[in-house]
Amino acid sequence: NAGVTQTPKFRILKIGQSMTLQCAQDMNHNYMYWYRQDPGMGLKLIYYSVGAGITDKGEVPNGYNVSRSTTEDFPLRLELAAPSQTSVYFCASSWDSSNQPQHFGDGTRLSIL
Amino acid sequence: DAKTTQPPSMDCAEGRAANLPCNHSTISGNEYVYWYRQIHSQGPQYIIHGLKNNETNEMASLIITEDRKSSTLILPHATLRDTAVYYCIVRSSISTGNQFYFGTGTSLTVIP
Repeated sequence: NAGVTQTPKFRILKIGQSMTLQCAQDMNHNYMYWYRQDPGMGLKLIYYSVGAGITDKGEVPNGYNVSRSTTEDFPLRLELAAPSQTSVYFCASSWDSSNQPQHFGDGTRLSIL
Repeated sequence: DAKTTQPPSMDCAEGRAANLPCNHSTISGNEYVYWYRQIHSQGPQYIIHGLKNNETNEMASLIITEDRKSSTLILPHATLRDTAVYYCIVRSSISTGNQFYFGTGTSLTVIP
């Protein structure tokens, strides 16, 4: 039962570098989400997708891009890393947009130095 | 989505029931109450959710008041592994983006 798998678990980037955070789910969920969590704070939604080929902005999308070419994968791209993007990133998925809960991965801890 | 209010921290003796309160006085008719927890900055773990009836599963019970303005998550026999931050979230079944708004939650410490 893999659920939601995120890679890498940890990463250190230099300012201005780019990277892609990977997220995959094996539950055939239509909806997928990216959140960030800063120290001592709750989660904030970055982007979400309601199905392959469809994405939309969440609460804090600036500095990030996403794509959804398959149902299983939802990568998050940082183009020009900034210190403000130091955070823990969580990917989640759910069956639909009604009352179904979201299931989360274990996160990627990203530091920008 | 309605906002929630939770105490920032609570303690509970191991083996006793942990009762975590949540106030959601502005909840609307189509909003569900969800509980998640987060252990050591792992990914949030879904616990339980409900609309207006009390709910129980293998992890916990959810008690929602009749006016739906507050709820209580009950862990019947708390163990040390239940030490975590617990989030109470209310979300509409028709919410745009299906976002879960996580606040700062209640930090529960189970004491041996």
